[in-house]
Amino acid sequence: QVQLQESGPGLVRPSETLSLTCAVSGTSVTSYYWSWMRQSPGKGLEWVGYIHHTGSTDHNPSLKNRVTISMDRIQNHFSLKLTAVIDADTAVYYCTRGHWALDCWSQGTLVTVSS
Amino acid sequence: DIVMSQSPDSLAVSLGERVTINCKSSQSVLSTSDNKNYFAWYQQRPGQPPKLLVYWASTRDSGVPARFSGSGSGTDFTLTISSLQAEDVAVYYCQQYYISPYTFGQGTKLDI
Repeated sequence: QVQLQESGPGLVRPSETLSLTCAVSGTSVTSYYWSWMRQSPGKGLEWVGYIHHTGSTDHNPSLKNRVTISMDRIQNHFSLKLTAVIDADTAVYYCTRGHWALDCWSQGTLVTVSS
Repeated sequence: DIVMSQSPDSLAVSLGERVTINCKSSQSVLSTSDNKNYFAWYQQRPGQPPKLLVYWASTRDSGVPARFSGSGSGTDFTLTISSLQAEDVAVYYCQQYYISPYTFGQGTKLDI
């Protein structure tokens, strides 16, 4: 059974970098695409970006070039970095399996941007 | 970006009744190369992450009850629950994954 567990700070100061890691169990990160999603009251569900072990990545242009998604095959996890955060980046962040239909989701972690 | 619009925003239905939720995309999500609709439905129960119900517009994900069915093609799609159960109280979202950025509808809240 595939399980995803994200970890990272729940509070990030404006202009700093949000960093989250998603630990994958039950399968290898090299077997699928993996994505980050976020959900806020104001913007609903929003696709952040995805990564594949071949190096293929994509991210939402609305986040401009603030997004980096990486993968660690040895640790079997993937990560999200979002730089120069603003209030609008406050959301519940999910890591998911897939890049099209997302068939496995983490429980989600609330990240609040505040000084 | 492709805009996904769901209707209604919310509805209240009695147990055992049939439920229909609609989703319209601002452009077609039907691929002419493989004749597939790059479209999915999700269910989000209170306090839970979204759960995939249907992909390719009409294929139920593993373990999803048969009372859930997806239909439609091109720009107009429907999620039908044939007989509402108490555990179906949730917000339902549509998604297109045809063109990046992949986008979601605003959600339809279903109550009893």
